[in-house]
Amino acid sequence: NAGVTQTPKFRILKIGQSMTLQCTQDMNHNYMYWYRQDPGMGLKLIYYSVGAGITDKGEVPNGYNVSRSTTEDFPLRLELAAPSQTSVYFCASSRGLAGVDTQYFGPGTRLTVL
Amino acid sequence: AQKITQTQPGMFVQEKEAVTLDCTYDTSDPSYGLFWYKQPSSGEMIFLIYQGSYDQQNATEGRYSLNFQKARKSANLVISASQLGDSAMYFCAMRADNQGGKLIFGQGTELSVKP
Repeated sequence: NAGVTQTPKFRILKIGQSMTLQCTQDMNHNYMYWYRQDPGMGLKLIYYSVGAGITDKGEVPNGYNVSRSTTEDFPLRLELAAPSQTSVYFCASSRGLAGVDTQYFGPGTRLTVL
Repeated sequence: AQKITQTQPGMFVQEKEAVTLDCTYDTSDPSYGLFWYKQPSSGEMIFLIYQGSYDQQNATEGRYSLNFQKARKSANLVISASQLGDSAMYFCAMRADNQGGKLIFGQGTELSVKP
C-alpha cells in the first residue's frame, strides 16, 4: 500500500513554461486535495475533488487547473508558470468528510520558477 | 470565514519536559474537526491527533493530547516527555464538516527540543 504518491519530487521551471504535477492514491479514497505551502507558512488549498469528474476551487486556484477522470489520479496543471508559484505542492486524500477521517498527504513536490 | 491562529512562531523545550503549542480558531459552523500535523525537516505531513467539536473528552494519542476549550475556541496541543525527534513544525488545522473536507491551516509553530 503506497498511500499517496507524487511526481516529480523536484522541478525547476522557467517563467511561462507549463507542467503537470502527478498525484495518485491507492486507498480508494473519494476525496482528493491539492495544497501549496509557501516558505514559513501553512498549507493553502488550491483545488479539491469529491469524486471522479467533480472538482472545485479552493482558496488559491488562480494559475492552476485540475481534472479527475479516475478515483486514483488527481493531476494539477500549471499554465504559464510565474515566480509566485514557487512553492511546495502537496496532494492529499481522505476516505470521508467527518469524524477522524483525516487527510493523508503525499511527500510533496518542490517547484521553483525562475 | 474560518480561521486558524497559531501565535507562537517558535518554541523551545528541554528534553523530557512537557510543552503546549497554542491554537485558536474561528468558525460559525456548529460541526467541525480540529487536527494537528507534524512536519519534520524532511517535509512530509504527519497526522498526530483529532478532536471533534461534539466530543466531550479531550483527545489523546500516546504522548500527544489536545486541550480543547470550545467556549474559548482553543485547541492546544500538549506533548508530554519531549524527545529530540519531536523537533519539527507543528500545524493546527480545522475542517468544517459541511464544506467538502477542506482543511484550513494555521501558520505553524517551530518546536526545538534541547538535549
